Amino acid sequence: DTGVSQDPRHKITKRGQNVTFRCDPISEHNRLYWYRQTLGQGPEFLTYFQNEAQLEKSRLLSDRFSAERPKGSFSTLEIQRTEQGDSAMYLCASSRDRDAGYTFGSGTRLTVV
Amino acid sequence: EDQVTQSPEALRLQEGESSSLNCSYTVSGLRGLFWYRQDPGKGPEFLFTLYSAGEEKEKERLKATLTKKESFLHITAPKPEDSATYLCAVTGSGGGADGLTFGKGTHLIIQP
Repeated sequence: DTGVSQDPRHKITKRGQNVTFRCDPISEHNRLYWYRQTLGQGPEFLTYFQNEAQLEKSRLLSDRFSAERPKGSFSTLEIQRTEQGDSAMYLCASSRDRDAGYTFGSGTRLTVV
Repeated sequence: EDQVTQSPEALRLQEGESSSLNCSYTVSGLRGLFWYRQDPGKGPEFLFTLYSAGEEKEKERLKATLTKKESFLHITAPKPEDSATYLCAVTGSGGGADGLTFGKGTHLIIQP
């Protein structure tokens, strides 16, 4: 399977805990994106990488959020001191270039209790 | 700021009953308009990219069209397996986020 892989699929955490999600993009795609989706809404852009460089961050990405893409391969998204409002589906996508269609992963469903 | 509005929010059709979904957009310098299909609990699945007004693309029972202000996703003789949420998104050449701006989607149900 050469699709975008995300891990874990589901995560339940207590408020105040830190969580980390992983995304493995399609190997030949140099662009990697993180989105957040809540129920009944479309995905909202969080950040993107071109190779290992983080080139854009949305204002939705507060100081509690950090993303990395070491060596331009897989990426991690960490949320520190989680809040109930962080409960959402976190989606990763990759693409060959800016105007090509993205390939999304199945997402990580985060529930903060 | 880029904006995307989709209508209707939900649509229920009988199998074989053709219809269209609308996506109205505001963007500074459209670079691309994207249609995705999303099944419950899954990530969006890419369908089409349209780049300029007048462009049309087809895939099986789906046909996407684009004008300077909106896009339509036409569904011809739909089947129950076409039931999903259809998302529209744009990317522009104006300053700001490089990512896509999505609408809220149209939840489509095809009844047998």
